[in-house]
Amino acid sequence: QKEVEQDPGPLSVPEGAIVSLNCTYSNSAFQYFMWYRQYSRKGPELLMYTYSSGNKEDGRFTAQVDKSSKYISLFIRDSQPSDSATYLCAMATNFGNEKLTFGTGTRLTIIP
Amino acid sequence: DTGVSQDPRHKITKRGQNVTFRCDPISEHNRLYWYRQTLGQGPEFLTYFQNEAQLEKSRLLSDRFSAERPKGSFSTLEIQRTEQGDSAMYLCASSRALIPYEQYFGPGTRLTVT
Repeated sequence: QKEVEQDPGPLSVPEGAIVSLNCTYSNSAFQYFMWYRQYSRKGPELLMYTYSSGNKEDGRFTAQVDKSSKYISLFIRDSQPSDSATYLCAMATNFGNEKLTFGTGTRLTIIP
Repeated sequence: DTGVSQDPRHKITKRGQNVTFRCDPISEHNRLYWYRQTLGQGPEFLTYFQNEAQLEKSRLLSDRFSAERPKGSFSTLEIQRTEQGDSAMYLCASSRALIPYEQYFGPGTRLTVT
């Protein structure tokens, strides 16, 4: 079993819809949670970074972390065709162990 | 801030040949990371540096792989005696030491071993 599980999709939604992307994890030592966006044949781009449980909002993006359920989410409001990409969750344990453990990524397509 | 750059962007080599990739991090970042990504998978950690010191290496980094960051600025990743299983995207990322989880990735070097 992988430490981080992410549904690979593909996920297709109409423009303007709210998108929900999720990851589950098994390592209770994870404390830092990141979401990256990756366009085809490009490097991952950092979207959001949260520590421990709670919510964080940045523009159209909201990240949620529920450590009790070992479950994290990324919500995209008013989705745009330019949001079409692969979304990767990533996690890390304590300060001093900064390697990121990634999910497999969810491929998202926003249909105009 | 010009971002993380990697060179070359694509490399095709024959099995058994050696290859070397270069990464130039964001100038004020003293942490530098190497990851490998295969099709349909997320990036996997290989190794990271703080300044010129290599602080951690993954068990994925066999003895055919070596990474250096001699002056604490750019880094090189060398693969000796390449195998077809080495075909992947090799990604470099950098961060500030005080915010190590905000890692900024370069465009990657796509390696194809024939």
